[in-house]
Amino acid sequence: GAVVSQHPSWVICKSGTSVKIECRSLDFQATTMFWYRQFPKQSLMLMATSNEGSKATYEQGVEKDKFLINHASLTLSTLTVTSAHPEDSSFYICSARTSGRDEFFGPGTRLTVL
Amino acid sequence: GQSLEQPSEVTAVEGAIVQINCTYQTSGFYGLSWYQQHDGGAPTFLSYNALDGLEETGRFSSFLSRSDSYGYLLLQELQMKDSASYFCAVNRDDKIIFGKGTRLHILP
Repeated sequence: GAVVSQHPSWVICKSGTSVKIECRSLDFQATTMFWYRQFPKQSLMLMATSNEGSKATYEQGVEKDKFLINHASLTLSTLTVTSAHPEDSSFYICSARTSGRDEFFGPGTRLTVL
Repeated sequence: GQSLEQPSEVTAVEGAIVQINCTYQTSGFYGLSWYQQHDGGAPTFLSYNALDGLEETGRFSSFLSRSDSYGYLLLQELQMKDSASYFCAVNRDDKIIFGKGTRLHILP
């Protein structure tokens, strides 16, 4: 099956700093990628839809200036959490859609903001 | 809008059968999916029902009744490795909307 990777798998940062998370489709091209956030024991909540070569579409309530998304190529999307605060600590998961419209998930990135 | 309801937790015994129910309310329905997620891991796709009836994949089966807005995931011959969270999900506006998840605890 299609493989999606994320880097880093976990990160700890100080409050006020920015953190970049990468999502890569390793063996297929993905014109559309998605970013989710998951708090402990809760569901995956869609944050934004990332389309290659265009601006991301954010879900209601998600601050686009805080969560910067760049989808510069067909195999890479990045999520930058700017000026991170402890409440941003969460599990961030990306997914990538194949041309057949199947969606495959990355392994997630655990962000801890001190 | 849309909502998906599923039990928060279910407990079963190794080797037994367990059913996880999901009811949904959604504007525009394109099928019900099920995902498995182990702690700290990524969701993995289990099954998809677009039409009424039962879909079987090995030890896992999924059922859908569109008239009742209801589906379930059936896990047979439970193994300890099946301990995980299970999410039902629907597609809306070309996006996946997940239920809150059911934590499955398996007792030896």
